[in-house]
Amino acid sequence: EPEVTQTPSHQVTQMGQEVILRCVPISNHLYFYWYRQILGQKVEFLVSFYNNEISEKSEIFDDQFSVERPDGSNFTLKIRSTKLEDSAMYFCAGSMGRRDTEAFFGQGTRLTVV
Amino acid sequence: GIQVEQSPPDLILQEGANSTLRCNFSDSVNNLQWFHQNPWGQLINLFYIPSGTKQNGRLSATTVATERYSLLYISSSQTTDSGVYFCAGAYSGGGADGLTFGKGTHLIIQP
Repeated sequence: EPEVTQTPSHQVTQMGQEVILRCVPISNHLYFYWYRQILGQKVEFLVSFYNNEISEKSEIFDDQFSVERPDGSNFTLKIRSTKLEDSAMYFCAGSMGRRDTEAFFGQGTRLTVV
Repeated sequence: GIQVEQSPPDLILQEGANSTLRCNFSDSVNNLQWFHQNPWGQLINLFYIPSGTKQNGRLSATTVATERYSLLYISSSQTTDSGVYFCAGAYSGGGADGLTFGKGTHLIIQP
């Protein structure tokens, strides 16, 4: 069964450093998403991406964040200058349609900023 | 956007027991999903169930869209069922692309 793959599974970075989180979505999906879960809290929507551009972003997704799909398979989330409060689990997800179709999630990348 | 409320927040059961987890949502949805977050933090898809009833082994789910709630049933619980169960929905009237998650039910199954 096809699945969403995220790398790395865990990343530790120094405050102020740039990080890139990577995702390989399911091949026939058209909509792509990043979500964030701070430890012990609920999962929060960050951004959606469709047709090679951002479809929607939440208020969490500020200028420190960017997304791209550079080669038609990978989907990346970049944080330019990490802060302690960026420490969280980041999930990539994809779906065939927009909000009314099932979303499939990757296993997550745990980001720790020290 | 919609609000998603889950209950109970915590549940401790003995192995073999049955449980019912509830998800209320504030407005009509055209997407309702249940997930299990295991101890390693992975989100496992359980059900895509904007309406009706589905079953998968010991788990089943029912969504009554007109009354804005969904239920997840776990029968004959096993220790591996432990973890956090999230429901998440998307408002059918437009708005946010992404799913809105509840705060989850933390389930502990004791041997």
